[in-house]
Amino acid sequence: EIVLTQSPGTLSLSPGERATLSCRASQSVTSSYLAWYQQKPGQAPRLLIYGASSRATGIPDRFSGSGSGTDFTLTISRLEPEDFAVYYCQQYGSSPYSFGQGTKLAIK
Amino acid sequence: QVQLQESGPGLVKPSETLSLTCAVSGYSISRGYFWGWMRQPPGKGLEWIGHIDHSGNTYYNPSLKSRVTISVDTSKNQFSLKVTSVTAADTAVYYCARRAYAHNYFDPWGQGTLVTVSS
Repeated sequence: EIVLTQSPGTLSLSPGERATLSCRASQSVTSSYLAWYQQKPGQAPRLLIYGASSRATGIPDRFSGSGSGTDFTLTISRLEPEDFAVYYCQQYGSSPYSFGQGTKLAIK
Repeated sequence: QVQLQESGPGLVKPSETLSLTCAVSGYSISRGYFWGWMRQPPGKGLEWIGHIDHSGNTYYNPSLKSRVTISVDTSKNQFSLKVTSVTAADTAVYYCARRAYAHNYFDPWGQGTLVTVSS
C-alpha cells in the first residue's frame, strides 16, 4: 500500500500570500496518478487537480499542481479568503487508492 | 449536472450491519462510469472503500473486503453499501461519489452522512 504523507500539518498564511503544500509518497506513484481535493468544514471534498497537474473543471488558475514519482506539490498563487480549508492528496495508480492525512490551510 | 445523495441510519449497534444508499440524479448509472464509497472518521483523513459499475463489477479496499458489499440498482438509479460486523472504528462520515472515467479519482461527491456505531 502506498502511504501519502502531507506537510505541513497546518499552514498559516494571509490572503494574497502564496501557499505551497507537499505530498510525499512511500513509493513511486504510477504515471503521476495523483489528485488534490479541497474540503471545507461540513462539506464534501472537491476535486481540484488530477494527473498531478491538470485542473478540474471550474477550478481557478491560481491553483496548480506539480511533481512526479514520490514528490508532489499543490501551489495556490494568491490566497483568496475562500481558499482556507483542508487539502488532501490521493494516489489512484495502485490499489488501495490512498489519501494523505491532510494539510489545514489556516488564516494567519 | 450529476448529484449524489447518501441516506441511511445514523446509528448502528456494534456487531450489526451498516447499510447506506446513494441516489444519483442528473445521470443514468446504466450509461456507464463507476460509482464509489469513501469514509472519513471524525477528525481524520479519507479512506477509499470500493466502487462498482452498472454491470455490478466491484473493486474493494483489501482492508475492508471481507466485510463490505457494494451493489447497484439501475432501475432506481442508486447504489448501496453494506458493512457487516461493525465496531466503533467504523464510525465515520460516509461519502458516495462518481469515479472519473478510466481513472480512480472521484468527482463529484455527495454531501456525506454520519454513521455512529454505538450501543
